[in-house]
This record gives sequence, structure tokens and C-alpha cells, in this order.
Amino acid sequence: GQQLNQSPQSMFIQEGEDVSMNCTSSSIFNTWLWYKQDPGEGPVLLIALYKAGELTSNGRLTAQFGITRKDSFLNISASIPSDVGIYFCAGQSSGGSNYKLTFGKGTLLTVNP
Amino acid sequence: DTGVSQDPRHKITKRGQNVTFRCDPISEHNRLYWYRQTLGQGPEFLTYFQNEAQLEKSRLLSDRFSAERPKGSFSTLEIQRTEQGDSAMYLCASSSTGRGLSPLHFGNGTRLTVT
Repeated sequence: GQQLNQSPQSMFIQEGEDVSMNCTSSSIFNTWLWYKQDPGEGPVLLIALYKAGELTSNGRLTAQFGITRKDSFLNISASIPSDVGIYFCAGQSSGGSNYKLTFGKGTLLTVNP
Repeated sequence: DTGVSQDPRHKITKRGQNVTFRCDPISEHNRLYWYRQTLGQGPEFLTYFQNEAQLEKSRLLSDRFSAERPKGSFSTLEIQRTEQGDSAMYLCASSSTGRGLSPLHFGNGTRLTVT
């Protein structure tokens, strides 16, 4: 089955630093998504990418859909304490009638004020 | 609040009991998904509905699990004869149809603890 490798597993940074995390897949996806999850809450959509090569920003967040359609990265610039949480990449394909997501294992981000 | 709503937020049950969770999707979304998430892992797909039709079930969904979406709106997930290994966060998500792929929007989940 499809597998996503997300790295790093965790990061501990100082407030104000930039952060980068990425995902690679053994299979091609038609859409890449990045979610953030706080403890006890559901994942919240941050950015959705629909085309290979696409670079999209949402405030201090920037994400790119890899040209091969098998990878994506997420950058966070000038981190702040509320960026703390678990970040998940997810790939979505449209095989048949199923639009399910396959998730990475997450990157735990800790920001030291 | 027009997001995905799940009830209850927390459920503690004894092994062998049956439990049922409810999900109310975003009103204009006709696709509904159930996922399960254990500690330190990303969400894992369980099952998917388009309107009232259940179109796919994961191998994770054993015979003790059943999901319904009788009128194509809210959905229920029932676990019969719960086991300790069923302890997890159960997440519901919804998305819209239309051209192309639509991102999934998640609820805040139901945390199940089986003692």
C-alpha cells in the first residue's frame, strides 16, 4: 500500500527561527495537503496543493508540491509559540470513487519562547 | 459553528461493551470519512461514504465495526464487543464533490478508552 515518510519526527527550535519539514511517498498523489493538530483536537487544514510544482503560501507557511508528485515540503518562517503542535502531510489520490487521504506520521514542533 | 461535529468527545467503556459515535459533517459536503488515530501516529483510513453509500472499507475495520449514513447526512460508527486495542481517537471528516479533489475537513474526534 501507499506509505508516506515524513521527516523530521520532531523539532525543537527557538522562537523566530524558520522551520522546514518534508514528506516523500512511494506512490504518486494528485493532491498534497498539510494539516496541524493540537492535543485533543482534530487535524486542521493548513495548505492544499493541487498541481505538481505548485508553490503556495498561507501567511508564514509555504508549501510545495514536488515535480515528481511523490513529495512535498512545508516551511514555517519566523516561528512563534502558537506554532507548537504536530504537523501532518497527507496525500490524496482519486483512484476510482475514493478520495481518501494517506497520512505521514507527523512532525512534532516545539517552539521555545 | 459550521464545521464537522462529533459526539461524544470522550468515551470510557469496559471491554466487551458496545459503543456508538456520531458525526455531523459540514452541511453541503456529501463525502464522509472515518479515520482512527493512535498515539504517535497519523490518522488511518477506516471507511468512506458518498451520500448514503458506503463505498470503501479498510481492512482495519473488523467485523465488530459498522458504520452507517442512512440519509446521507450524519453518520454513526458502532463498535461491538470493544477490546482494549480499540482505544484510539476516532476522527470524522467530510469533503464536497465537484470538479477535482476536495480537501478533507476534520472534526475534533471522539477519544475512546476501553478499560
